[in-house]
Amino acid sequence: DAKTTQPNSMESNEEEPVHLPCNHSTISGTDYIHWYRQLPSQGPEYVIHGLTSNVNNRMASLAIAEDRKSSTLILHRATLRDAAVYYCILRGIGGSNYKLTFGKGTLLTVNP
Amino acid sequence: GAVVSQHPSWVICKSGTSVKIECRSLDFQATTMFWYRQFPKQSLMLMATSNEGSKATYEQGVEKDKFLINHASLTLSTLTVTSAHPEDSSFYICSARQDPSTDTQYFGPGTRLTVL
Repeated sequence: DAKTTQPNSMESNEEEPVHLPCNHSTISGTDYIHWYRQLPSQGPEYVIHGLTSNVNNRMASLAIAEDRKSSTLILHRATLRDAAVYYCILRGIGGSNYKLTFGKGTLLTVNP
Repeated sequence: GAVVSQHPSWVICKSGTSVKIECRSLDFQATTMFWYRQFPKQSLMLMATSNEGSKATYEQGVEKDKFLINHASLTLSTLTVTSAHPEDSSFYICSARQDPSTDTQYFGPGTRLTVL
């Protein structure tokens, strides 16, 4: 799987928007961009994924650059419960196992 | 929907004993389940991929005879840590793939294993 680069940590204030960046300059045309987050002492939680177009769901929005070499996860109004490690992962198609390779992610701190 | 459970949530055992961890998909059938291990302050590391009715595929460096994986049904996979030692103490997390077309994995809450 192609590699992603994320900032080690970010800080936000409660009820403000948060933009979490991810660089993936070696992305291939068939790689999907997945975001998961992990709250302390819990298993990861699926957030959102996309291929080329921007995506929205109840949790977040995913903005994908036109050249697909970067993407941004947007939390529209951060809450204290959004404090977690956010992982940006590329997943290609093909193969039967669909493995996810987790990097170090971004530790998001939300200040009250 | 798409809930994955793990049991137990935590376990403490003596060195040399074996520990079994269960992973269940509660509201969907999972043909593929994954087992991860996470050491403190580190990211998740995939240990093995478990396909229902067939042998698990282990990642490089993971001892298949030490970490026994069974996926006997579409809703249950088990991980047995045999002859556990203190260095096996870790956070073990399973995930299940619900829909191959969406490729989304749903994770269990994890099992904290402490080997004394």
